[in-house]
Amino acid sequence: EDQVTQSPEALRLQEGESSSLNCSYTVSGLRGLFWYRQDPGKGPEFLFTLYSAGEEKEKERLKATLTKKESFLHITAPKPEDSATYLCAVQAWTTDSWGKLQFGAGTQVVVTP
Amino acid sequence: DGGITQSPKYLFRKEGQNVTLSCEQNLNHDAMYWYRQDPGQGLRLIYYSQIVNDFQKGDIAEGYSVSREKKESFPLTVTSAQKNPTAFYLCASSISPRETQYFGPGTRLLVL
Repeated sequence: EDQVTQSPEALRLQEGESSSLNCSYTVSGLRGLFWYRQDPGKGPEFLFTLYSAGEEKEKERLKATLTKKESFLHITAPKPEDSATYLCAVQAWTTDSWGKLQFGAGTQVVVTP
Repeated sequence: DGGITQSPKYLFRKEGQNVTLSCEQNLNHDAMYWYRQDPGQGLRLIYYSQIVNDFQKGDIAEGYSVSREKKESFPLTVTSAQKNPTAFYLCASSISPRETQYFGPGTRLLVL
């Protein structure tokens, strides 16, 4: 069965203190790995999709990378507005047309001024 | 503006009552999904629909029902058979079943 584990569960950073979030996965064959950002009481907001090991994507202070067993979300010089829960999800190759997402529990990030 | 809307934002259910959560999208997406989010857990799939007039059970479908009569709409009914309905419910859609899923703002269901 596909599994996704995110670590740490929570992360407290000072403004400007760079750090990384981890998403470890086991899946029969990875079609895609998705990162979302979720603010309290709101729906997840799509950030990135990664498809193959070695791929990297960037958006402002966020950079996502992918290996065969895990993905990292690097936050460079974070600002308070980067405070959110970051969710990781994997999608496996299947024989049908449906691509189920398996989500991790998320990492809650708090950035203090 | 294109997007996904969910209503209401908060919903209160009495014992033995069925309640329906609304999800509408104007993105012209074929696929739609319902997830449940509980504290400390990943999103869990309740139902999904790849196309109009078709839907499939997800991992935790017991106590829930859906319909997909229009491409834009995918309402979720939480029935009295769902014994622990308190959660944050999220609707999502994607242009096709394997593509990126985009989420609505959510509905929080509470039990009186």
